[in-house]
Amino acid sequence: EIVLTQSPTTMAASPGEKVTLTCRASSSVSYMHWYQQRSGASPKLWIYETSKLASGVPNRFSGSGSGTSYSLTINSMETEDAATYYCQQGSSYPPTFGAGTKLELK
Amino acid sequence: QVNLLQSRAALVKPGASVKLSCKASGYTFTDYYIHWVKQSHGKSLEWIGYINPNSGYTNYNEKFKSKATLTVDKSTNTAYMELSRLTSEDSATYYCTRRRGPFFDYWGQGVMVTVSS
Repeated sequence: EIVLTQSPTTMAASPGEKVTLTCRASSSVSYMHWYQQRSGASPKLWIYETSKLASGVPNRFSGSGSGTSYSLTINSMETEDAATYYCQQGSSYPPTFGAGTKLELK
Repeated sequence: QVNLLQSRAALVKPGASVKLSCKASGYTFTDYYIHWVKQSHGKSLEWIGYINPNSGYTNYNEKFKSKATLTVDKSTNTAYMELSRLTSEDSATYYCTRRRGPFFDYWGQGVMVTVSS
């Protein structure tokens, strides 16, 4: 199965700061998808097919990457962005998720 | 709007089984596969398997083949997952989710299963 490695594991950002989360795959994948999970809530689709924002996602978020290296960027951190973000690949079975990056507000 | 409503939290004894439900609404149930995902406390997400609501065809993660059984009831737009021979390792939150292409676009609210005597 394809292993997804996210970094950093945890980070803190100040309001207005630019944030970049990364996800590396053990084999090449066609796309990467990202989910946001707030404490006590279910995951929400956040970015799909590498760079498309899910409905309702603010445009300060963006996604990029190809092959084995992908990233999620927040242009300017806001309070509501504090959450855990998971990457996921669906290119081959089984679908797999990264261990997550917990993003905290500084 | 699309909604996946899961059953309530369950407290079950070791060695017992539990059947979780996921009732879909707001879309044509048979048009999308339903997948199940496990999240142990404070941990990441593990894919358990999926069911095609139209045909009943299932596909499981090898790790969960002897643990989970997926079924559907098309008459009530409900998917089920039965977990058998429960141990403390099965204590977790379980989500049903709808797959669209290679990603999961809608998720249930999750159901916490606690295995304890």
